[in-house]
Amino acid sequence: SQQGEEDPQALSIQEGENATMNCSYKTSINNLQWYRQNSGRGLVHLILIRSNEREKHSGRLRVTLDTSKKSSSLLITASRAADTASYFCATEGGAGSYQLTFGKGTKLSVIP
Amino acid sequence: SQTIHQWPATLVQPVGSPLSLECTVEGTSNPNLYWYRQAAGRGLQLLFYSVGIGQISSEVPQNLSASRPQDRQFILSSKKLLLSDSGFYLCAWSWGGGQPQHFGDGTRLSIL
Repeated sequence: SQQGEEDPQALSIQEGENATMNCSYKTSINNLQWYRQNSGRGLVHLILIRSNEREKHSGRLRVTLDTSKKSSSLLITASRAADTASYFCATEGGAGSYQLTFGKGTKLSVIP
Repeated sequence: SQTIHQWPATLVQPVGSPLSLECTVEGTSNPNLYWYRQAAGRGLQLLFYSVGIGQISSEVPQNLSASRPQDRQFILSSKKLLLSDSGFYLCAWSWGGGQPQHFGDGTRLSIL
């Protein structure tokens, strides 16, 4: 079963705008990870945020985590056409778990 | 640095034929290894994972099997393919819990 649910399912923005994607999950987690997938390719890891962290940055990416609401958001600032891809959140569960449960993803289109 | 190789990139097989997909990791030892399947427009479903040679855990009942004959080699197999086995198969490795997973470029499997 899928734990993470991304919202929106699809997002279309102009180059230079910010893109925000949300992820909700149902059970307690050790960490939450965001991945990116270009069409027909494998997934690329973007950011891992642990359950005791609230915010993390990496370049133009900003991830927040609210464990009380069981939700996370991924913000891409100053988007570029090359950011066009599908973005997935994945949750890692309790102690000793190393399995990720992926959501269905948000398909982001950045229009030049 | 670590690399992961998956082949073939695409495969077209008739119903009832056998399957063997191979994944190898270079540049690390004793990684956790994973096989996922991704249906069109969907998230990833974990099929198998392995924490060591000969150690395979299955997540869902299915027509497929996995083996890990060497530390950095992970094989996905089937004796008789079904139409429902079509999909995009992804192999991944990680250093364990709390660590990101690193994906290969996937195999697009079509069953005719």
